[in-house]
Amino acid sequence: QQQVKQSPQSLIVQKGGISIINCAYENTAFDYFPWYQQFPGKGPALLIAIRPDVSEKKEGRFTISFNKSAKQFSLHIMDSQPGDSATYFCAAMEYGNKLVFGAGTILRVKS
Amino acid sequence: NAGVTQTPKFQVLKTGQSMTLQCAQDMNHEYMSWYRQDPGMGLRLIHYSVGAGITDQGEVPNGYNVSRSTTEDFPLRLLSAAPSQTSVYFCASSSRTSGSPDTQYFGPGTRLTVL
Repeated sequence: QQQVKQSPQSLIVQKGGISIINCAYENTAFDYFPWYQQFPGKGPALLIAIRPDVSEKKEGRFTISFNKSAKQFSLHIMDSQPGDSATYFCAAMEYGNKLVFGAGTILRVKS
Repeated sequence: NAGVTQTPKFQVLKTGQSMTLQCAQDMNHEYMSWYRQDPGMGLRLIHYSVGAGITDQGEVPNGYNVSRSTTEDFPLRLLSAAPSQTSVYFCASSSRTSGSPDTQYFGPGTRLTVL
């Protein structure tokens, strides 16, 4: 079963626009929600993460919004740039620091 | 710090062969994990460890073995390679501070092809 559902599968945004990726989860035992950015041929790199006692976290152009009651969280990329073109994964962490990943969103920012 | 290192970077096996993917970390992290990534899918957990001498299965453990004799090393063994194990394998390590998880660091990956 897919414990973390991510949408959309792919996203095309104009340079300067806002990219929004959404995730939903089922397991209320998850206690950490990171977003990873992955470029072709590379390993995932942590972009930003949030704990469930916080509703929003902002780091530069990247913001996570977290809705605990709805079991949903989203990544907003403000002022999207061509260099942001990559695959983005949401994830949720449970006991043992085990990560459950969404299926990924391929983001393309058009210049 | 070298972080998380993985060897080899690339490997081609024939069906039925066995091999070990190496993973090491120098951050004194107690938690280590192995994931596989297939096209169009997110990473899926194969095995994980919460400390030296302690391992457990993840979502897709069949065909793989692990051991954790030291904090630093967490090798992944393919017992009898099958084409379905063609994938990119990532090792990761992390810790917890005051019960809350810290950043999970990923290695650069091993690209495995089984013919």
